[in-house]
Amino acid sequence: EAGVTQFPSHSVIEKGQTVTLRCDPISGHDNLYWYRRVMGKEIKFLLHFVKESKQDESGMPNNRFLAERTGGTYSTLKVQPAELEDSGVYFCASSQDKLGRGVYEQYFGPGTRLTVT
Amino acid sequence: AQKITQTQPGMFVQEKEAVTLDCTYDTSDPSYGLFWYKQPSSGEMIFLIYQGSYDQQNATEGRYSLNFQKARKSANLVISASQLGDSAMYFCAMREGTLIGGGSNYKLTFGKGTLLTVNP
Repeated sequence: EAGVTQFPSHSVIEKGQTVTLRCDPISGHDNLYWYRRVMGKEIKFLLHFVKESKQDESGMPNNRFLAERTGGTYSTLKVQPAELEDSGVYFCASSQDKLGRGVYEQYFGPGTRLTVT
Repeated sequence: AQKITQTQPGMFVQEKEAVTLDCTYDTSDPSYGLFWYKQPSSGEMIFLIYQGSYDQQNATEGRYSLNFQKARKSANLVISASQLGDSAMYFCAMREGTLIGGGSNYKLTFGKGTLLTVNP
């Protein structure tokens, strides 16, 4: 079974430019999450999709961030325009209730390292 | 206030010895879950072990066990018989049961992590 994949692995852009990150969850996982780790800080939740619907977007920092999950498969996270403080590692995760007891352990992708200069 | 506290920025252990990584948490939700993840230098986050707040027994997964002390709000990870491949960053995370305002909550809140180094 393929794991969660993310593209690109690294992205370096200038302030004011646009970047789109992509996440492909584990096949069959309805739940998809985006997290971010800014240098030296904790990993922070951004948002959660159930299929194509946004279940919780309480962690999205501002309206420069737009996440989509058309068709309930892969997801994109667009940052437009990028600012210096957006630099960090963006993780995607997916989950399904395999254990049947509401655990929903999340399986993470390798992350996209975004550097805004 | 920090919801997840990992007080050890770095830990060292000799190969084949056991090591405990500390994690304390703060929640008023009676229903919650605690997770440990491993992040090796390659960057991916690997799920290790889960403990539910209503679970009667401490979770175990191979060489990993979770020392769950509910009254003290601690969920320490114990790694037995350390191996060189255990060298990595370890994150404790919590999922609380419900969202403020209602609805099921799935998001994880993470601690800052502990960097474990296993020495040969």
